[in-house]
Amino acid sequence: DAGVIQSPRHEVTEMGQEVTLRCKPISGHDYLFWYRQTMMRGLELLIYFNNNVPIDDSGMPEDRFSAKMPNASFSTLKIQPSEPRDSAVYFCASSFRAGHSPLHFGNGTRLTVT
Amino acid sequence: KNQVEQSPQSLIILEGKNCTLQCNYTVSPFSNLRWYKQDTGRGPVSLTIMTFSENTKSNGRYTATLDADTKQSSLHITASQLSDSASYICVVSAESPHSWGKLQFGAGTQVVVTP
Repeated sequence: DAGVIQSPRHEVTEMGQEVTLRCKPISGHDYLFWYRQTMMRGLELLIYFNNNVPIDDSGMPEDRFSAKMPNASFSTLKIQPSEPRDSAVYFCASSFRAGHSPLHFGNGTRLTVT
Repeated sequence: KNQVEQSPQSLIILEGKNCTLQCNYTVSPFSNLRWYKQDTGRGPVSLTIMTFSENTKSNGRYTATLDADTKQSSLHITASQLSDSASYICVVSAESPHSWGKLQFGAGTQVVVTP
């Protein structure tokens, strides 16, 4: 099992550019999550999917953020246009079933917007 | 106000020594409490998950305790190793139809193990 795979590992972009982060969850997992981590705010849930359907996107900060899950093995988080305050580490996580199952995190994408 | 408070914020311990991290929460209704270990530059890794009826759970040299009455949990690290240097995050889940959206994260305790 390769675990949750995220790409790219690092992304540096200029303000106003579009950024797309990618995630491949663990095969067989039916929940997928996008988190953002900063020193100031810690880990924050942005959005999560169940069986490819978005369930809760209340954590998405603004309309500039969008997420899709076209199939069970792929998800994207897009920021358009990007701003310096979007600089953070973005984690994707997946889980099998709900409730008391562990979250399996990828190693994150470190985004820097200049 | 954060519903999950961790202490201390950071600590330094000598290799081979034991240490205990604390987590207090106000999340209600309670579903489960999780401890994660996050190495620098990596994603968090699950150590333990405890429900209301469990008051202790071990994972190797890591032992977590839960007192649901006082809403407190601790993570004890026995015979620390250099590889234990990491941030330890306490996460509490509320009981709800969409409980995944109700995970509350603590700010973490940064542990540094020195030779």
